[in-house]
Amino acid sequence: DAGITQSPRHKVTETGTPVTLRCHQTENHRYMYWYRQDPGHGLRLIHYSYGVKDTDKGEVSDGYSVSRSKTEDFLLTLESATSSQTSVYFCAISTGSLNEQYFGPGTRLTVT
Amino acid sequence: AQRVTQPEKLLSVFKGAPVELKCNYSYSGSPELFWYVQYSRQRLQLLLRHISRESIKGFTADLNKGETSFHLKKPFAQEEDSAMYYCALKGNTGFQKLVFGTGTRLLVSP
Repeated sequence: DAGITQSPRHKVTETGTPVTLRCHQTENHRYMYWYRQDPGHGLRLIHYSYGVKDTDKGEVSDGYSVSRSKTEDFLLTLESATSSQTSVYFCAISTGSLNEQYFGPGTRLTVT
Repeated sequence: AQRVTQPEKLLSVFKGAPVELKCNYSYSGSPELFWYVQYSRQRLQLLLRHISRESIKGFTADLNKGETSFHLKKPFAQEEDSAMYYCALKGNTGFQKLVFGTGTRLLVSP
């Protein structure tokens, strides 16, 4: 599992509240990613990071922000959760050598 | 632009039947292609990458640049192959981002 964990694994929250999801890795990989998984859309990239404090937007970044103050942690924040952000969120890392990505276990977020 | 198309949302076969999950891509350069698998409520796992030309769990995939395809095949499906399969592409320039298809659910019935 490439030492990737996500917390929380499940969360139910109300519309308008802020939510932070955490991705933690133990192997000091440089590249980290946040995706959301939705039926009919597959996986879509929200934000990614290529180093501490180096982040950039993916294809569906509106309503989301990220931070990476340490190599091992990549945080995803929903500034004001909406029902359209109900989804399963996956974190991933890339080792950089063969370009494949390894995924965390996912966080199932429900916004009511 | 990079795009990955998986035309089938659901593929249903019987145990022992051959399986082919289709993946077509759009990219002007020389991409790297991957297949990921997700078993029920589990994390995505890398199944195959085209540069390795390997067979994993009986699955193979060949990159056909002329047809811009990377179809996943298995000659005899097993019930434990039931899962969601995603094709993904990485371009050969710039940052290491993957573009995923929308996925195909494979259901293997006894």
